[in-house]
Amino acid sequence: DAKTTQPPSMDCAEGRAANLPCNHSTISGNEYVYWYRQIHSQGPQYIIHGLKNNETNEMASLIITEDRKSSTLILPHATLRDTAVYYCIVYGGATNKLIFGTGTLLAVQP
Amino acid sequence: EAQVTQNPRYLITVTGKKLTVTCSQNMNHEYMSWYRQDPGLGLRQIYYSMNVEVTDKGDVPEGYKVSRKEKRNFPLILESPSPNQTSLYFCASSFTRGLTDTQYFGPGTRLTVL
Repeated sequence: DAKTTQPPSMDCAEGRAANLPCNHSTISGNEYVYWYRQIHSQGPQYIIHGLKNNETNEMASLIITEDRKSSTLILPHATLRDTAVYYCIVYGGATNKLIFGTGTLLAVQP
Repeated sequence: EAQVTQNPRYLITVTGKKLTVTCSQNMNHEYMSWYRQDPGLGLRQIYYSMNVEVTDKGDVPEGYKVSRKEKRNFPLILESPSPNQTSLYFCASSFTRGLTDTQYFGPGTRLTVL
């Protein structure tokens, strides 16, 4: 079973920041938080991952709380092409495979 | 361009007719795996391979076979397909199955078994 909890869906206006939350209260010390997204039946695409520090790359930012029990993926300027299902995954340590839950369907509205 | 390719992308077949879905990666990755995706069930791992000639079962291996004779290829074989194997299939690869390895996914193969 997935070790994360995400809202099933969210809306965001085009050009605004999209903030996608994820709860992972049972995460252990050596497990990473990964984010992938899947655009309408295409192969999942890696976005970003982190252990305990906040991370940023060309696609997004990842904010992990100090207790590591939750995180937020931030798409700074959402576009229509960012409409997708976003998966938050805890990976590493004893969890040695990617377990995809049901994710959050982000709908970017024009 | 670094990528994972799958063929065919779409396939309609009949029960019992053996088929193979090919997967190839050009990134010299050691780890490869197959997933299936079904509505309401998410992605589930079928088989994985840590390296050439090393394969192991995932969560839903029944009815499938795999082989890893070369590093770049990891075909999925359905010896006698059944309608419950109708699904969307993804191949993925990564350098290793380490703590921080990013998996790269192929474009998917949509299989329908009649």
